[in-house]
Parts: sequence; structure tokens; C-alpha cells
Amino acid sequence: QKEVEQDPGPLSVPEGAIVSLNCTYSNSAFQYFMWYRQYSRKGPELLMYTYSSGNKEDGRFTAQVDKSSKYISLFIRDSQPSDSATYLCAIHNTNAGKSTFGDGTTLTVKP
Amino acid sequence: DTAVSQTPKYLVTQMGNDKSIKCEQNLGHDTMYWYKQDSKKFLKIMFSYNNKELIINETVPNRFSPKSPDKAHLNLHINSLELGDSAVYFCASSLWTGVNEQYFGPGTRLTVT
Repeated sequence: QKEVEQDPGPLSVPEGAIVSLNCTYSNSAFQYFMWYRQYSRKGPELLMYTYSSGNKEDGRFTAQVDKSSKYISLFIRDSQPSDSATYLCAIHNTNAGKSTFGDGTTLTVKP
Repeated sequence: DTAVSQTPKYLVTQMGNDKSIKCEQNLGHDTMYWYKQDSKKFLKIMFSYNNKELIINETVPNRFSPKSPDKAHLNLHINSLELGDSAVYFCASSLWTGVNEQYFGPGTRLTVT
């Protein structure tokens, strides 16, 4: 069983839709939760990160963490064609000094 | 200015050859990483270095050998290339090994024929 499981997708939505991207994890030692966005043929770039249960907003993006269920989500409001990319959840274990990534969900937002 | 750069961007080679990928960061970061991303987009850490010292060495075949001549550079040498080594290799850097943003390079697309 993988330490981080991500909803596989792909996901295709119309412009303006609300998008929900989800991951689950198994290791309680994971302490920090991150979302990266990766455009085609580019390296991943960090969107946001959080460490506590609850919601964190940044513009149209909201990261949600539920530590009791070991579940994390990224919501994208008013999705735009420029949001079309692969989204990777990543969970960091400070003790191990490394991040473990989900498999990624590829999102396409159609105009 | 490019923050994390990798060379080459594309590498096509035959089985059995030896090849190197170079990475440089100009961010002043202490920690650098090598990741492998397979065709299904799964990104897996291979190695990390902090101030030229090897910190993480995942279960990677001995054919892969990282080298950090200084904290701004982390190179990856691969001996006796195999078909299964075909992937995109990403270099990344971060301020330190704790939680903080990792900056990724553009990737090196390795194809072994």
C-alpha cells in the first residue's frame, strides 16, 4: 500500500467549475501537507502548504486537511483554462526529512 | 535568472551506456534533491544532500551515484543504463531539510533504447 494515495483522474471540467482534488495518507508521522502544480513538460511548483487540520485559503485555492481521517483536499474555485495541469499532493515527514508525493491528478479546464 | 537548472534537457542513449546529469541552483539553498518521475507522473525521491552531505538515499540501484561538489551543485551519474531507467529526472533545492518550498528544475527526459 502506498503511503500517499491520490484520486487518479484525469479530470475534465468546464471553465468556472469548482474542482476538488483529494489524497489520503497512511502514516501519522506525516506532519505537513502540500500541493504542487505541474504544467506539461515543466517541474512541479508549490501552490500552498499547511500543517494543521482545517482550511487554508489562497485566492481561488483552498487546501483542506482532516488529520483524523488522514484526508487532504485542494479546492479550486472558478477554474480557468490556465489551471489545466497535473496537481500533486505531497506530505512531508520532518523526522525523515523528505516529502512523499501522490501520483498526481491531471486536470483539464475547458473554455 | 534560472533558479534551478539542469543539463541536458533531453538525453537519448542506448542500454549499457553511462551518462551524467548536472544540476545547479543559484538560490543559496542548503539542500538539494534528485527525483525520478515515471510515465504515470509518480514522483519519487532518490537522494537528498544537505551542505554536500548525503542525507537521504532511497532504495536506488548502485548504478546511480550522486555527487555534490559544493552546495550549489548536485550531479547524478548513471552506470550501465537499463530500459527501466527511462523517466524524467528532476533536481530540486530547498532552504533546509525541514518543511519549506522545494524549487524544481525543468527536468531531464532520459530515454534508454
